[in-house]
Amino acid sequence: NAGVTQTPKFQVLKTGQSMTLQCAQDMNHNSMYWYRQDPGMGLRLIYYSASEGTTDKGEVPNGYNVSRLNKREFSLRLESAAPSQTSVYFCASSGSRLTGYEQYFGPGTRLTVT
Amino acid sequence: SQQGEEDPQALSIQEGENATMNCSYKTSINNLQWYRQNSGRGLVHLILIRSNEREKHSGRLRVTLDTSKKSSSLLITASRAADTASYFCATEDQGGSEKLVFGKGTKLTVNP
Repeated sequence: NAGVTQTPKFQVLKTGQSMTLQCAQDMNHNSMYWYRQDPGMGLRLIYYSASEGTTDKGEVPNGYNVSRLNKREFSLRLESAAPSQTSVYFCASSGSRLTGYEQYFGPGTRLTVT
Repeated sequence: SQQGEEDPQALSIQEGENATMNCSYKTSINNLQWYRQNSGRGLVHLILIRSNEREKHSGRLRVTLDTSKKSSSLLITASRAADTASYFCATEDQGGSEKLVFGKGTKLTVNP
């Protein structure tokens, strides 16, 4: 039982390059989330998916796209990376209302855009 | 926008002392959760308190919730060096959106 896994762990991009961050969970959770974490800003929600086939914007969606490929996988794509997207990206998943949507986090992807 | 705001931003104590962190929020909530983040790692859920609860314990953790003041506190008793981490509060609002809104965190340093 691996929980939430993310790949890659580290990535360096040049401005304008594209990439996809991968996330998978093996807890049969319906909801999945992508956050970015910047110094002094805490966690900010980029996109989330309440169930397979649905996605919704969070607080900071500009410059990102997402795909909920199936119940397990939720990917985040940067089409044209910008230095402002340098951050640590976390994927998370949560189960049900009964657990108060307690979230389980992956280890993060550290992205630098030069 | 950030819902929860932790206070203080940073806290440094000696091993064995108690650490208290506070969280204030703005809207009505279903529950409030506390998470810990060790340096370079993802967040880990610590404890959840529902809006109809006033106090909850888990091991050395004690959480209180005052919905009239829209505030919560996390107390870590008899702190250890291993408690060194950032602590975040997160709220689930009453809208049932399945989203949590996180604060900016309190960085706790426990000196041996």
